[in-house]
Amino acid sequence: DGGITQSPKYLFRKEGQNVTLSCEQNLNHDAMYWYRQDPGQGLRLIYYSQIVNDFQKGDIAEGYSVSREKKESFPLTVTSAQKNPTAFYLCASSIAGTGVSVQPQHFGDGTRLSIL
Amino acid sequence: KQEVTQIPAALSVPEGENLVLNCSFTDSAIYNLQWFRQDPGKGLTSLLLIQSSQREQTSGRLNASLDKASGRSTLYIAASQPGDSATYLCAVSITTSGTYKYIFGTGTRLKVLA
Repeated sequence: DGGITQSPKYLFRKEGQNVTLSCEQNLNHDAMYWYRQDPGQGLRLIYYSQIVNDFQKGDIAEGYSVSREKKESFPLTVTSAQKNPTAFYLCASSIAGTGVSVQPQHFGDGTRLSIL
Repeated sequence: KQEVTQIPAALSVPEGENLVLNCSFTDSAIYNLQWFRQDPGKGLTSLLLIQSSQREQTSGRLNASLDKASGRSTLYIAASQPGDSATYLCAVSITTSGTYKYIFGTGTRLKVLA
């Protein structure tokens, strides 16, 4: 079945450590997104990519980095510069929008990151 | 700056009731509006997407309306069931420097009591 796979489901980070969250999709979507969700808050956009080898910062990109070397994959690295990384991280994808017809987003099941 | 608000933040209703969830946005220049469902500890599942030129969309017991000019959308759930218990989020799509992105509301946490 087509979908988005995020791994791991749970992740723990030690002080000063970088960790990488995986996101893979087999929907043949061009656009991919990373969001952060904190309790009682809506989703906030970290990074997004409309095409391979290109990505843009979202609203809260500081302390995070991404790469988009393949259409299917959009890994997110939470660096040691991110001082408050504990959150639920969601990856999404969509067919890249053209004109005014923007397609719906499909989401993975998320990764919960905690600090040790 | 586009802001999306959902009221109420939480709602409890007895099984069988019809209910309405509200979503408002500050800038009417949107391309579409999407309603999602999120179960605890899970990702988001798309329920309905309304293009900016449309007034409503229906899927089963769900009906979503869009009044772009007034910056409002409602999600109507008919004959609610305990299985409808979840957090419901709305999101509007906007364009920034030629690329599209979504702005999310904080959600309404719904509990349907058996």
